[in-house]
Amino acid sequence: QQQVKQSPQSLIVQKGGISIINCAYENTAFDYFPWYQQFPGKGPALLIAIRPDVSEKKEGRFTISFNKSAKQFSLHIMDSQPGDSATYFCAAYTQGGSEKLVFGKGTKLTVNP
Amino acid sequence: NAGVTQTPKFRILKIGQSMTLQCTQDMNHNYMYWYRQDPGMGLKLIYYSVGAGITDKGEVPNGYNVSRSTTEDFPLRLELAAPSQTSVYFCASSSNTDRPGANVLTFGAGSRLTVL
Repeated sequence: QQQVKQSPQSLIVQKGGISIINCAYENTAFDYFPWYQQFPGKGPALLIAIRPDVSEKKEGRFTISFNKSAKQFSLHIMDSQPGDSATYFCAAYTQGGSEKLVFGKGTKLTVNP
Repeated sequence: NAGVTQTPKFRILKIGQSMTLQCTQDMNHNYMYWYRQDPGMGLKLIYYSVGAGITDKGEVPNGYNVSRSTTEDFPLRLELAAPSQTSVYFCASSSNTDRPGANVLTFGAGSRLTVL
C-alpha cells in the first residue's frame, strides 16, 4: 500500500525551465508535507515543507502548491539550474501520530546546461 | 557539529555473514530511524526508536535487528545476510516536539551494502 504517490519517476529539464513534481495522498490525517532533496552519494535533506492550511509556500526558486480537496501537492522549481539536479522525495506525516514520515518513491531530476 | 554519522560507508558481505551498521547522532534527538533505499523504490523504513530503550518495526523489518541503549547510538544488525539486503542504508534522527512540522529528519550520508 503506497500512501504517497509521486510522479514522474524521472524528469529532464533545460536550464532556465520549470521543473514540476507531483504527489498525491489518501490519508486525510496527514498534516505536514515536506520535500527532501538528495544529491548523489549523500543523504536526503529537507528542502521545503507545507501544512495543509496554506495553499502555497515559496522559498526562493522553490514553491510548494497544495490542493487539500484533491489531496495533491506539487513542487515547482523555477529557473531550474544544473545544480538542482538531484532526486526529490515528497513525504507526509501526521503530527502526534506515529512520528513516521511516509515517503514517495522519488523523482530524479536532471537539468541540462 | 557532526550531525548523524554512519559507518561503514561501504561493505561487501558474503551470503550468511552478519554485520552491524553503526549510527550515532550528536544533536540529542529522541527519534532515530533506519531506512533502506533501493533504485526507484524510495525510502523504506526498517526500524525506528522514540527514545533510549524503545524500538519498533517499520515497513520492512525482516532480517534486521536494532537496539537503542543510549540517546546517541542506534546500530542496525543484519543477521544471515541475503542478496535481497543489498541496498543503501540511511540512518536519520529528529527531535521530539509537538510543534507543527517539527519532525525534520536529519540523515546520515549512507552505508552502501552489497551481499554476494
